[in-house]
Amino acid sequence: NAGVTQTPKFQVLKTGQSMTLQCAQDMNHNSMYWYRQDPGMGLRLIYYSASEGTTDKGEVPNGYNVSRLNKREFSLRLESAAPSQTSVYFCASSDRAPLGNEQFFGPGTRLTVL
Amino acid sequence: RKEVEQDPGPFNVPEGATVAFNCTYSNSASQSFFWYRQDCRKEPKLLMSVYSSGNEDGRFTAQLNRASQYISLLIRDSKLSDSATYLCVVTRWNRDDKIIFGKGTRLHILP
Repeated sequence: NAGVTQTPKFQVLKTGQSMTLQCAQDMNHNSMYWYRQDPGMGLRLIYYSASEGTTDKGEVPNGYNVSRLNKREFSLRLESAAPSQTSVYFCASSDRAPLGNEQFFGPGTRLTVL
Repeated sequence: RKEVEQDPGPFNVPEGATVAFNCTYSNSASQSFFWYRQDCRKEPKLLMSVYSSGNEDGRFTAQLNRASQYISLLIRDSKLSDSATYLCVVTRWNRDDKIIFGKGTRLHILP
């Protein structure tokens, strides 16, 4: 059981470039989430998917898009990266209720936008 | 007022001591409460869910006080391995879906 996996682990982009962060879970969880963590800001929810086929905005969705490809995979896309998107990105999953249950996190992607 | 507030610390505590920290939340409609632990440059991991009746897991005790709108975490007989950042998490759903992470309290256990 790998739990939640994320790729890549590190990425450097130039302003305006695009990229997709990949996330997969093997726990058969219904709900998946994307967060960003910045120094002094705590984790902030970008988007979440309560179940396959649905996605909802979180606290800081601007500049991002998501795709719930299937039950296992939930990707996060930056269409035109900006320096303000430099952050650590965590994917998480949980079963049952979308926001009221334990979340399992992936190891994170450290993104720098120059 | 921030929706979830924690003392950032750091709390520097000698090994074997008892340490407690609180987390306050501002929205009385909040439904679920958790403590997560995050080690440096690692992902958060669930430490405990917090129930109205209080709950204990070994050396860790979590309490919820809905009247005063705070949750607490008590660590007894602290170990060096308890050094980490402890994140308070507050959620609500069904109409105004929110999951709010506190900024965390840093704990250093001193040998």
